[in-house]
Amino acid sequence: QKEVEQDPGPLSVPEGAIVSLNCTYSNSAFQYFMWYRQYSRKGPELLMYTYSSGNKEDGRFTAQVDKSSKYISLFIRDSQPSDSATYLCAMSQTSYDKVIFGPGTSLSVIP
Amino acid sequence: AAGVIQSPRHLIKEKRETATLKCYPIPRHDTVYWYQQGPGQDPQFLISFYEKMQSDKGSIPDRFSAQQFSDYHSELNMSSLELGDSALYFCASSSRDWGSSYEQYFGPGTRLTVT
Repeated sequence: QKEVEQDPGPLSVPEGAIVSLNCTYSNSAFQYFMWYRQYSRKGPELLMYTYSSGNKEDGRFTAQVDKSSKYISLFIRDSQPSDSATYLCAMSQTSYDKVIFGPGTSLSVIP
Repeated sequence: AAGVIQSPRHLIKEKRETATLKCYPIPRHDTVYWYQQGPGQDPQFLISFYEKMQSDKGSIPDRFSAQQFSDYHSELNMSSLELGDSALYFCASSSRDWGSSYEQYFGPGTRLTVT
């Protein structure tokens, strides 16, 4: 069993929809939680970075972390075709530790 | 803003050859990480350096070695290449300075193809 689980999709939604992406993890030592967006054959682009439990909002993106349930989420409001990419959840134990990635969810936003 | 630079972007090698990948971190970043991403897989951690010293080691084959230089750039050396080494290799950098945000920012990657 992988340390970080994520539904690989693919997930297809119409433009303007609210998208919900989720990950679960098994290692309770994780304290830092990230979401990266990766376009095909490109480097992962950091979207959200949070510490411990709670919510964080940045524009159309909201990240939620529930450490008690070992569950993290990313919500995308008013989804756009340009949001079509693979979304990788990631986490680490310390602020400078290696990042452990989930397998990624492929998202397509249809115009 | 300046990003992580990797070179070359694409590299084709034959089996048993040697390859060297280079990474130039974001200015004032002191920590470099290397990850390998196989086809359809998530990135897997290989090795990291902080202030020119190895700080952590993951699933890096013994055929691979890496170092960080005085200007903080890093090189990943891969010898006796195998077909299974074909992958995207990413470098990420971060800063451990007090007050920094500590996030890891990834470069565009080097696509290595071993034939």
